[in-house]
Amino acid sequence: AQTVTQSQPEMSVQEAETVTLSCTYDTSESDYYLFWYKQPPSRQMILVIRQEAYKQQNATENRFSVNFQKAAKSFSLKISDSQLGDAAMYFCAYLRDDTGNQFYFGTGTSLTVIP
Amino acid sequence: DTAVSQTPKYLVTQMGNDKSIKCEQNLGHDTMYWYKQDSKKFLKIMFSYNNKELIINETVPNRFSPKSPDKAHLNLHINSLELGDSAVYFCASSQDRERRWKNIQYFGAGTRLSVL
Repeated sequence: AQTVTQSQPEMSVQEAETVTLSCTYDTSESDYYLFWYKQPPSRQMILVIRQEAYKQQNATENRFSVNFQKAAKSFSLKISDSQLGDAAMYFCAYLRDDTGNQFYFGTGTSLTVIP
Repeated sequence: DTAVSQTPKYLVTQMGNDKSIKCEQNLGHDTMYWYKQDSKKFLKIMFSYNNKELIINETVPNRFSPKSPDKAHLNLHINSLELGDSAVYFCASSQDRERRWKNIQYFGAGTRLSVL
């Protein structure tokens, strides 16, 4: 069964600094997708970034980038120049390629940004 | 212009009651989902519908029943509510079941259900 592990329940970062959130997953599939979602206090789930497993190049979205290590089954999120608005729960998610769109979520990492 | 909208945002009710949560998406997506987020923030899928067909049904009590009157709506009905049903419920949708690379899920804002 697919599992997604986020080993850091809580993280904090100084404003303008860089922070990395960890995610590992377990799968026997070769083709899949990985996502990071952000859930601010408003509860809205917002897609931050996604990565296709067949792509070796790490995805980037402005201040957000990932370090995708397929062999190690690791998918970490790096937030550069952290802003107060980045404070939220961050969920790592895995999507299999051959089933009905079922996402597997990690347990989340609560990120605090210190002014 | 909300892409995925859920109503109500908050729902407080007594144990034993029957309640519904509505979800609508205006993205033209083919598949819709319901997730339950527990007190520890863990998200677990409950149902998904594709073209009015249930394609995923995890081990959810049969007190929970999804109803999809059309492709744009997937409502969640809950009968005989129990204390353990208290949680935040999220609706989501994605474009196309077959085209995996398009299957980003877009979420609603969540409905906080409190059973007293």
